[in-house]
Amino acid sequence: GNSVTQMEGPVTLSEEAFLTINCTYTATGYPSLFWYVQYPGEGLQLLLKATKADDKGSNKGFEATYRKETTSFHLEKGSVQVSDSAVYFCALTGGNNRLAFGKGNQVVVIP
Amino acid sequence: DGGITQSPKYLFRKEGQNVTLSCEQNLNHDAMYWYRQDPGQGLRLIYYSQIVNDFQKGDIAEGYSVSREKKESFPLTVTSAQKNPTAFYLCASSIGPSGSNEQFFGPGTRLTVL
Repeated sequence: GNSVTQMEGPVTLSEEAFLTINCTYTATGYPSLFWYVQYPGEGLQLLLKATKADDKGSNKGFEATYRKETTSFHLEKGSVQVSDSAVYFCALTGGNNRLAFGKGNQVVVIP
Repeated sequence: DGGITQSPKYLFRKEGQNVTLSCEQNLNHDAMYWYRQDPGQGLRLIYYSQIVNDFQKGDIAEGYSVSREKKESFPLTVTSAQKNPTAFYLCASSIGPSGSNEQFFGPGTRLTVL
């Protein structure tokens, strides 16, 4: 079945540091890939998406590229701010049109 | 403003009681979803509905029930058969079946069973 794996553990970094959150997936066919963000006490918001191989999704300074050869969709941001502190979820939809989520990564940005 | 509303934000119930969580959307979306979120577990799909008067079980449907009598409403009932109901519940909707369509999420309901 479809599944998403995110790197273990929270990510703590200083303001203006470079952020990378790894995401790899297992899926049949050609899934669409997503990054969602959850701020404290809220629901999830779509951050970016990519629907085919080599597509790059981008929003609010975040980027992720759909890499079919490595089955990855790593999230990056060049210079994080305190306001980027949140939980980030990688997700995919495959042939069954259901979203499969990774376990999420808590990101804490220290001033 | 279009969006998804969930009520209440916090809900407390005694063990053995059924409880119904509300989810309403005014986005004119056909598909709606219920997820459960536990610390360190990500989101798990409970039930989903792609059209009015139809719904399917997700990965963890046991102890839950839903109805979809109106396009804009998709209430979730947590029954006494659910062994560990304390969790954060999220409702979502999308224009159609997921595919490449974005799912829009409500603010969630935190259920605590005492």
